[in-house]
Formats: sequence, C-alpha cells, structure tokens
Amino acid sequence: SQTIHQWPATLVQPVGSPLSLECTVEGTSNPNLYWYRQAAGRGLQLLFYSVGIGQISSEVPQNLSASRPQDRQFILSSKKLLLSDSGFYLCAREEGPSGVYTFGSGTRLTVV
Amino acid sequence: DAKTTQPNSMESNEEEPVHLPCNHSTISGTDYIHWYRQLPSQGPEYVIHGLTSNVNNRMASLAIAEDRKSSTLILHRATLRDAAVYYCILETNAGKSTFGDGTTLTVKP
Repeated sequence: SQTIHQWPATLVQPVGSPLSLECTVEGTSNPNLYWYRQAAGRGLQLLFYSVGIGQISSEVPQNLSASRPQDRQFILSSKKLLLSDSGFYLCAREEGPSGVYTFGSGTRLTVV
Repeated sequence: DAKTTQPNSMESNEEEPVHLPCNHSTISGTDYIHWYRQLPSQGPEYVIHGLTSNVNNRMASLAIAEDRKSSTLILHRATLRDAAVYYCILETNAGKSTFGDGTTLTVKP
C-alpha cells in the first residue's frame, strides 16, 4: 500500500497563530515527499519537497517551513499564520522512475 | 520548469468520448507526460502517463504526438463521475512537477 495520511481534514486558525500539519506515508522506504498548496479554483503550487530525512528544499519563500524528522513523516509548519496562508494543503509522494504522484486527502486551512 | 498549456474548460455529453488536449512545446527528451484528475475537495488522482508511445489503461488512453510537443487524454465514454479538473504535467528528472490550472471537464447527462 502506498497510502498517505494527512490530518486534520479541515482547520480554522486565527491570524498569528502557529500551524502544524502532519503527513505520514506507508509503503517503500525513502520516498520523495512533497507539500503543495491550492488556492480556490487554481492549480497546485509546490511549497516544499524532500528526498530524505532532514533534507528539505523550498520552492516558494514565505512564512511556512517543513521538516522531515522520520523517513515516512513530513511536517508543514508556521510560527505565525497570515490570511494569505489559507488554502488546501496536499501532501504527495513520488513513486518509481517515471515519477507518478500519490496524493493525500488534503487539509483545508482557513485563516481568520 | 517545463510548462503545459490546457484549455480552461470543456464540456461533454454522457456516454460520448472526450479528448482533452495538452500542449508542451518545451518538453525535453526525458520528461514523462502525466495526467491527473481532481474531484472537489480531494487530492489529485493519477490517471495515466507516457513517454513516447501511446498508452492505454482501464481509465483512459493517452495519445502522444510524434514530436512529443502535445498530447491528448482520451476518455472513451464519459460518465458523470468523470467530471473533474484534469491536469497535464511534465515529470522531469528533478522530480518537481508544476501543476497549472488544468481543464475543468463538465459532463452533461
């Protein structure tokens, strides 16, 4: 199974509050993992990707950060949320040499 | 990153075939062409992918132009459950894929 677990499914947070979204994956070890964000009616924006424990690459400078403390755990964090951080956050893993993505069910974050 | 271009929206009647086009004129020789679809409030779902040859699976067919600068996702008989946003992306060696806004497919009964 290449299941991806994301929680929570929905989250409402006040501006300035911290954030922690967790993604855990099953299946083969040392997967490439990704965090994407999707604004309403738009495509997916790549935020971070990781090729291994402790290895994080940021695609978009912002007040978000990511960490990978374990092989199958990928965490998205923020110290102080902004209104513009609202969106649908998706965790994904990459499979095989042709790079097929499997996505989690996502977290819908609303910052108020 | 290599980019793709898709129409914003398309409509189809139920039980009829649907051809969803994608242009990727800057594709490199090692880029795979992937298609995903996304239902409301769900993560994207893999549909099909290919490199050079046309591909078929239980969900769809992928027709790739000889010069690889365009491709077409073919749904042979659209159903109401096929209504979704369809994304065509290029999977590069760097492993970072850019998802554009996709094509919103509406299926009419």
